[in-house]
Amino acid sequence: AQKVTQAQTEISVVEKEDVTLDCVYETRDTTYYLFWYKQPPSGELVFLIRRNSFDEQNEISGRYSWNFQKSTSSFNFTITASQVVDSAVYFCALSEAPGNTPLVFGKGTRLSVIA
Amino acid sequence: KAGVTQTPRYLIKTRGQQVTLSCSPISGHRSVSWYQQTPGQGLQFLFEYFSETQRNKGNFPGRFSGRQFSNSRSEMNVSTLELGDSALYLCASSFGQDLTDTQYFGPGTRLTVL
Repeated sequence: AQKVTQAQTEISVVEKEDVTLDCVYETRDTTYYLFWYKQPPSGELVFLIRRNSFDEQNEISGRYSWNFQKSTSSFNFTITASQVVDSAVYFCALSEAPGNTPLVFGKGTRLSVIA
Repeated sequence: KAGVTQTPRYLIKTRGQQVTLSCSPISGHRSVSWYQQTPGQGLQFLFEYFSETQRNKGNFPGRFSGRQFSNSRSEMNVSTLELGDSALYLCASSFGQDLTDTQYFGPGTRLTVL
C-alpha cells in the first residue's frame, strides 16, 4: 500500500533562512508520481510540482528546489531565503500508475516564517 | 482560465440535517475528486468522477455520495450529518482520466456541524 510520511509537523524559521521539508514515501510500484502542494491560511491547495519516478533530476524554480532520491524514497523540498509569504502548510503526495488510484497525502508540515 | 470554484464557502448545519456542496472544475477538465480535510485525519479521499461515472470511492460511509453532470460540474451530498463531519471539503479537477495527472484544487467548503 502506498504511504507518505512527513515527519516534521511544524517548523519555524526566521526570514531569509533556508528550510528543507522532508517527505518519505512507500510504494510497491515502479511507476509513480510525487507532488508537493502548498496550503496557505485561505485553505486552497496550490500545486507546486509533479515529478515522475523515472526523472531523478533535481528541480529548481526560483527560491524553490526539490531533491528526489529513489534510493532513500525521499522527495524533499527546500525553500531558499524564506519569506513571510511562504508561511503555510505544505503537503507531499503520491499517486501510483496506472492512474486509477487516488492521491495519497502526507500529514503536512506547517511552516512559519518569522519576520 | 478560471480555477476550480466551490460553493458555498462556509456552511453551518445541525446534526441530522443533510448538505449539498458544489464544485465547478477548470474549463476542459473532466475528472473531479473530492477530499475531506480534518485536523485529526488530514486529507482523505472521498470519491472521484470522470465523465459522470464514479470511478473511485474512499473509505467513507454511504451517507457520503456524489454525482457529476454532463458539464463536468460535481456535487457531493452528506445525509444525516454527524458532528464528526465538520471539516474542510476540497474539490480538485484534472484534465484526463488518469489520476496521476496534476489535480488543481478549489478553495474548499468549510462545513461546521452543531
